[in-house]
Amino acid sequence: EVQLVESGGGLVQPGRSLKLSCAASGFTFSNYYMAWVRQAPKKGLEWVATISTSGSRTYYPDSVKGRFTISRDNAKSSLYLQMNSLKSEDTATYYCARHIATRGGYFDYWGQGVMVTVSS
Amino acid sequence: DVQMTQSLSYLAASPGESVSISCKASKSISNYLAWYQQKPGEAYKLLIYSGSTLQSGTPSRFSGSGSGTDFTLTIRSLEPEDFGLYYCQQYYEKPLTFGSGTKLEIK
Repeated sequence: EVQLVESGGGLVQPGRSLKLSCAASGFTFSNYYMAWVRQAPKKGLEWVATISTSGSRTYYPDSVKGRFTISRDNAKSSLYLQMNSLKSEDTATYYCARHIATRGGYFDYWGQGVMVTVSS
Repeated sequence: DVQMTQSLSYLAASPGESVSISCKASKSISNYLAWYQQKPGEAYKLLIYSGSTLQSGTPSRFSGSGSGTDFTLTIRSLEPEDFGLYYCQQYYEKPLTFGSGTKLEIK
């Protein structure tokens, strides 16, 4: 059974940093692209980052490019999201997702999510 | 960016009824469209990809149609477990973008 479990969320002040983790199990992690998707309170879904199987290629929307860094450790079946220079608009539930990289790609398994609140 | 519009934010229906949820893209995305379901306390679930291909495990009462800019998710004979939030997502190009969601509630 595919399982994705996020951790590392919490309350952080604007301008500070936070690192999220996602532990994957139930599939061969190194064979899949992975991604982060977020959902602000009462808002829709926003794709945040994607990483290739080896980690050599990463993709971001403009809203987080230069502030967020996605990475992975295939030996540990773990995905990470380093978030720097956090803003109040980054407040959201962050989901780890397995990314099926057909064309731009869609997400076939999701974690339960972890909440990040950016506030002073 | 490709804007995805789900014109109905809320839809109420009774078990046994059939419903359709629409999703419109701001430009042609061929059939690069996925549908997701979210139920309270549960992870998001992929229902359909490539506009009309059912993900493994998706009940056959779900169907997807459309191509280009207009897409529809249809649920025949609603079951109690079908009530929740539904989102469309385009993957024709990056940035990947989602619709704003349609909440399906029990009438």
